[in-house]
Amino acid sequence: GENVEQHPSTLSVQEGDSAVIKCTYSDSASNYFPWYKQELGKGPQLIIDIRSNVGEKKDQRIAVTLNKTAKHFSLHITETQPEDSAVYFCAASINGNQFYFGTGTSLTVIP
Amino acid sequence: GAVVSQHPSRVICKSGTSVKIECRSLDFQATTMFWYRQFPKQSLMLMATSNEGSKATYEQGVEKDKFLINHASLTLSTLTVTSAHPEDSSFYICSATLPGNTIYFGEGSWLTVV
Repeated sequence: GENVEQHPSTLSVQEGDSAVIKCTYSDSASNYFPWYKQELGKGPQLIIDIRSNVGEKKDQRIAVTLNKTAKHFSLHITETQPEDSAVYFCAASINGNQFYFGTGTSLTVIP
Repeated sequence: GAVVSQHPSRVICKSGTSVKIECRSLDFQATTMFWYRQFPKQSLMLMATSNEGSKATYEQGVEKDKFLINHASLTLSTLTVTSAHPEDSSFYICSATLPGNTIYFGEGSWLTVV
């Protein structure tokens, strides 16, 4: 089955700096890659996603890149703010039939 | 606004009793919902896939007689933790898939068994 690895497990950045979280996947058939933000005590919230026919997608300060050949995708957060502090999960899916999650990255933005 | 609603958000029950958690899809029909369990500072662990009108599919190692899942309608799936024990205390989260394969999660339910 699919195996998703996520790095780093923890990340601290100064407010205003950029944060990058990377994930790799093993199954070349995976074609949908969402990212979730989970605040303490709450369910994960979808923040951005990308499909395999696209190499990059951007939404304001958040962007995701996908390299199908290398089987990795990354989340980029620019101009980080304290409210960006949370745990971020990546996931990989084949047509939405099954989702495989990364182990999470705890992001801390230091004011 | 919320796409998937989960209730209750927090529940405390006595050891040996059963507790039910509801997961509702708002404004859309979800033929498939998923139930996850999450331990502190860990990733989501898929417990089972809930299929409307049929039996749930459980992941390996998940006791189907302990974690009863009922998907009685296209907008509601329930997870019942039977004969709960302190080790069942955890954060339980459901999700539903929208057309186009986007999944949304419920707000999660904290279960504490005392």
